[in-house]
Parts: sequence; C-alpha cells; structure tokens
Amino acid sequence: KNEVEQSPQNLTAQEGEFITINCSYSVGISALHWLQQHPGGGIVSLFMLSSGKKKHGRLIATINIQEKHSSLHITASHPRDSAVYICAVANQFYFGTGTSLTVIP
Amino acid sequence: NAGVMQNPRHLVRRRGQEARLRCSPMKGHSHVYWYRQLPEEGLKFMVYLQKENIIDESGMPKERFSAEFPKEGPSILRIQQVVRGDSAAYFCASSPLDTEAFFGQGTRLTVV
Repeated sequence: KNEVEQSPQNLTAQEGEFITINCSYSVGISALHWLQQHPGGGIVSLFMLSSGKKKHGRLIATINIQEKHSSLHITASHPRDSAVYICAVANQFYFGTGTSLTVIP
Repeated sequence: NAGVMQNPRHLVRRRGQEARLRCSPMKGHSHVYWYRQLPEEGLKFMVYLQKENIIDESGMPKERFSAEFPKEGPSILRIQQVVRGDSAAYFCASSPLDTEAFFGQGTRLTVV
C-alpha cells in the first residue's frame, strides 16, 4: 500500500467546471504539499498546509489532519489548468502518483 | 532572486559513463532535496541534504549513486556507471528551513 493515495488518477472536465482532487495518506505528517507539473515537466509548488484551508486565486486546498485527508479544488477551471497535480507529505518524502487533469474548452 | 537552477537540462550518457547533475538552490536556502521521476511514473524521493551533511538518503540506490552539498557551490548528484534504467528526470528542490520547497526544472538523463 502506498503511503499517499490520490484520486482520481485521470480527470477530464469542461471549461468552467468545479474540480476536486483528493489525497489520503497513512503516515504522520507536519504538512502536506500540493504540486503542479505541466507537460514539459516543470514542477510548481502550489500549497503547503498543515491545517484548515488555503486559497490562492481559483485554487483552494483543505486538509483534515485527523482524517489524514486533503483536497485540492479548482473553481472555474480553464484549459491552462491542464496539468498533473501531485500530493506530497512528510517533507515531500512521499508522493502520490498524481492526478492528470485535462480541461476542455 | 533566481529560482532553483539545475544543469544540464538534458544529459545523454552512454552505458558505463558517469553522470553529474548539478543543483544550485535559491539564495538563502540551505536544504536541498533530490527526486527521480521514471518515465510514466511518479516522483520518488532520493536524498535530503543540508550544507555539508546528508540528512536522509533512504531513497538512494545503494550502489552507483551519491550526492553532496558542499559548503560552497551547487549540490551534485552523481551516478557512476550509468545503465539504461537510470534514464529519468531528476528534480532538485530547495527550501530555507524545513518548509515549503521550490523545484528546479529538472535534468532529463538519457542513457544510450
């Protein structure tokens, strides 16, 4: 069993839709990270959170430490949001396998 | 403040050669992480270093791989006697403390 499980693995959405990506983990952590990897491979750190909720533009990340679960939401999705979204925990020692998001115009 | 700089971006090596991958962390960052991403797979942690110290190398293969982060200069990930299975994207990330890390663009190693 992986330390970090993400769902769904693949997601296709129409432009404008509200998107949710989930991450569950089994190890104890102090913080969880959400990363974005675009085609071409560059990785961007979107959020680091240890409790509650963070918002940046159209992106919202929440975490429930007790339930060992985090969600990444994208409001009013746009084709430029198409990327792989990766959840990482424990100082980024453990990674989910990623959720490949495609937003269709 | 430039971001995390990795070079080279692309590296081709013949089987048996050595590969040296460099990572210059962001200014003021003393923590460096190396990750490997095999084709069609997720990111895997390799090693965590602070200046002149290896903190955690639990993700490093036992043989042929080594990493350093000297007092001066970039962090180096060294792969000796490369094999085709070493072909992957190698990412470096840096952070100022035990906090959010910033990623480099990666080095894509191809072993022919």
